[in-house]
Amino acid sequence: GAGVSQTPSNKVTEKGKYVELRCDPISGHTALYWYRQSLGQGPEFLIYFQGTGAADDSGLPNDRFFAVRPEGSVSTLKIQRTERGDSAVYLCASSPDAGGTDTQYFGPGTRLTVL
Amino acid sequence: SQELEQSPQSLIVQEGKNLTINCTSSKTLYGLYWYKQKYGEGLIFLMMLQKGGEEKSHEKITAKLDEKKQQSSLHITASQPSHAGIYLCGADEGGKLIFGQGTELSVKP
Repeated sequence: GAGVSQTPSNKVTEKGKYVELRCDPISGHTALYWYRQSLGQGPEFLIYFQGTGAADDSGLPNDRFFAVRPEGSVSTLKIQRTERGDSAVYLCASSPDAGGTDTQYFGPGTRLTVL
Repeated sequence: SQELEQSPQSLIVQEGKNLTINCTSSKTLYGLYWYKQKYGEGLIFLMMLQKGGEEKSHEKITAKLDEKKQQSSLHITASQPSHAGIYLCGADEGGKLIFGQGTELSVKP
């Protein structure tokens, strides 16, 4: 079956611009997660959704970052006034349910470069 | 918050050799995941361990969780070039995963 998909695969933008990153989870998965991975590091948690609501947004670095999941399926990560330090690979994952030990399945990521 | 330390950070082995990657946690592990990542790609799920002393195998890869549930190891037998990549351990913390920094494995033919 189809896995987690993310678009675009690559995004190059200029400092100060607004960007949106999209994630399509595995069909039927109620939990959706966003992570950010810098070069040479493991992924860092940003936010996760259970259904339409953000269950934990403690990893969002500041108020320039925002994510939505209005219908409990597709999610969009939004970054305002991008900075060069936002350059990273943004990974999305989904799982059948949140919490417990449901395995998270990852998408291929979006590589964001801020010039 | 929980921290995971992986060792070694990088590893180069000759094809056919065995190798072990370790993951040590600052707190008790209630769910420990191993993933593999190829450069520029997403994470591929390998195995999940939950119980102290648990051991799981898939093809030539074996993962163990120690009895105290603070350390896990990933062992690859008779390594092949297809095993090359970055191996990441991740700990479940209230639904989200906390990852180690990764171990980069290269296998020389």
